[in-house]
Parts: sequence; C-alpha cells; structure tokens
Amino acid sequence: EIVLTQSPATLSVSPGERATLSCRASQSVSSNLAWYQQKPGQAPRLLLYGASTRATDIPDRFSGSGSGTDFTLTISSLQSEDFAVYYCQQYNNWPPFTFGPGTKVDIK
Amino acid sequence: QVQLQQSGPGLVKPSQTLSLTCAVSGFSISSGGSSWSWIRQPPGKGLEWIGYSYHNGVTYYNPSLRSRVTISVDKAKNQFSLEVTSVTAADTAVYYCARRYSSSPEDVWGQGTTVIVSS
Repeated sequence: EIVLTQSPATLSVSPGERATLSCRASQSVSSNLAWYQQKPGQAPRLLLYGASTRATDIPDRFSGSGSGTDFTLTISSLQSEDFAVYYCQQYNNWPPFTFGPGTKVDIK
Repeated sequence: QVQLQQSGPGLVKPSQTLSLTCAVSGFSISSGGSSWSWIRQPPGKGLEWIGYSYHNGVTYYNPSLRSRVTISVDKAKNQFSLEVTSVTAADTAVYYCARRYSSSPEDVWGQGTTVIVSS
C-alpha cells in the first residue's frame, strides 16, 4: 500500500497570502495524484487531478505541481472560502487508492 | 448535472450488516469508463477507500475490508449499493459514494451518510 505524507499538518495563513502544501508518496505514483478540499460537514471537493489539472469550476488561484513522489498544492492568494482541510490522493496503485492525512489551512 | 443521493440507516447494531444506497441522476451508471466508489471517514479522522465497482460488476475492494464488503450496481435503477457485514464500533464513520470517470479520481460525491454502530 502506498503511504502519503502531508506537511505541514496545520498551516496558518492570512487572507491574501500564498499557501504551499506538500504531499509525499512512499513510492512513485507517476502523475496520478489528486487534491481535494473538505470543509466541515461537507463531502470532499476535487480540486486538481493528474497532479496539475484543475477540475471543473476550480479557480486558477489553485495550482499543482510534481510527479513521482513529491507534489505541491499552491493557493496563490487565500480567500476566506479557502480555509479548509486539504487531502492528497494517489490513484496510481490499487489496492487500495490512498489518501494523505490532510493539511488544515486556518486563519492566522 | 450529475448528482449522487445517498440513503440508508444511520444506526446499526454491532454484528449486523450496514447497507447504503447511492442513487445516480443526470448520468447513466452504465456509461463506459465510469466506476462507482465508496469511501468512509471515521469521526475526526481522514478518508479511507472501501472499494469501487464498474457497471459490469467488476469490483475492487480494500484488502483490509474485503472479507466483509460487497459493492453492487443496479443498472435498472441507476444506483449502486454498499454492504458491510459484522460491523463493530470501528465501522462508525461518514460514508460517501462517489463517481470515478475515465482514469480520473472521484469527481462527483454524494452528500455523505453518518453511520453509528451501537447497541
């Protein structure tokens, strides 16, 4: 099973600032890495797939990079609605597809 | 617009079977390249894959749950289901259904169902 590690566990950021989140895989997942946003009481929302492709209706302040084992999600200028938990997910190796433990982005 | 609507009991007794259904609207469950997933999230914790199924009945389960889980697709009703047998308190979680399309990850999710295992 591929283990995903996310850092930091919590990121405190002021509105308008840039946020950079990291996801590392225990072995290569090629570019089959997705990022999700989850707010309290809601289902996860797909932000990016293929490491860097934005999903439908996702604003361009969200961007992703990386391949193999190291990936980054960048939020260029945090808006109030962006404070949430972010999960990475690998869908390269089954069984099973796995999620990282999440990074909570909160208001500084 | 693709929507997934979950239904099922929110309380299950230990050792019994948890059963949830996910009704799909705005999209045919038989569409080529699509598969149908279940994922769960214990209280205050992260996301755990349960498994997924193609419309033709080919299924893939998380090895940690394989012996207790069944995912089935009902093409006539355009819905899919999850059964987890012999539940314990460790199965208490929010359960989500979701669609995978082509080689992409889950892009459409149900609203989630909180299932508590308790006598």
